[in-house]
Amino acid sequence: SQQGEEDPQALSIQEGENATMNCSYKTSINNLQWYRQNSGRGLVHLILIRSNEREKHSGRLRVTLDTSKKSSSLLITASRAADTASYFCATDGSGANSKLTFGKGITLSVRP
Amino acid sequence: GAVVSQHPSWVICKSGTSVKIECRSLDFQATTMFWYRQFPKQSLMLMATSNEGSKATYEQGVEKDKFLINHASLTLSTLTVTSAHPEDSSFYICSARGQGGSYEQYFGPGTRLTVT
Repeated sequence: SQQGEEDPQALSIQEGENATMNCSYKTSINNLQWYRQNSGRGLVHLILIRSNEREKHSGRLRVTLDTSKKSSSLLITASRAADTASYFCATDGSGANSKLTFGKGITLSVRP
Repeated sequence: GAVVSQHPSWVICKSGTSVKIECRSLDFQATTMFWYRQFPKQSLMLMATSNEGSKATYEQGVEKDKFLINHASLTLSTLTVTSAHPEDSSFYICSARGQGGSYEQYFGPGTRLTVT
């Protein structure tokens, strides 16, 4: 069953603008990860944030995690046309048998 | 970074035949591999988790006799879709997790299966 719920489901912005995507989840987690998928391709791991972290940066990406609200956000700054893709959040539970549970995904379109 | 490959990248087969998809970790040993299915414009749904040398654990609703998983070595897992039907047409993606307690999974590029 899916746990993550991203919003919005689709986002269209102009190149150079920032894109903010949100993810909410239901159960406790060990970490939360964001992935990108270009149409018809595999997943690219973007960033992992652990449950004891509140914010993490990687290049133009900024991820926040609020465990009290069970939510995370992914901010892409100064977007580029090449950022056009689907973005998924995935939650990872605790323990050796943990597995990723993906949200429904957000389709981001960056207009040149 | 860690690389996971899948073969084939796409396959077309006739209804009733079986198809095998391979997932390999190229530069690390994967104690656990995961198989996902993704229908068009939908998210990834976990089908099963396989640990090297033991039977796969299937998610609820996934038929283990239809989707045979073999994780024979630390670098190879295979998914066989038996007696394929058009509704099995999908994008199948594997991922692998290494040893040492890391939670990061490395994803393969996916295999597009079309059953005619």
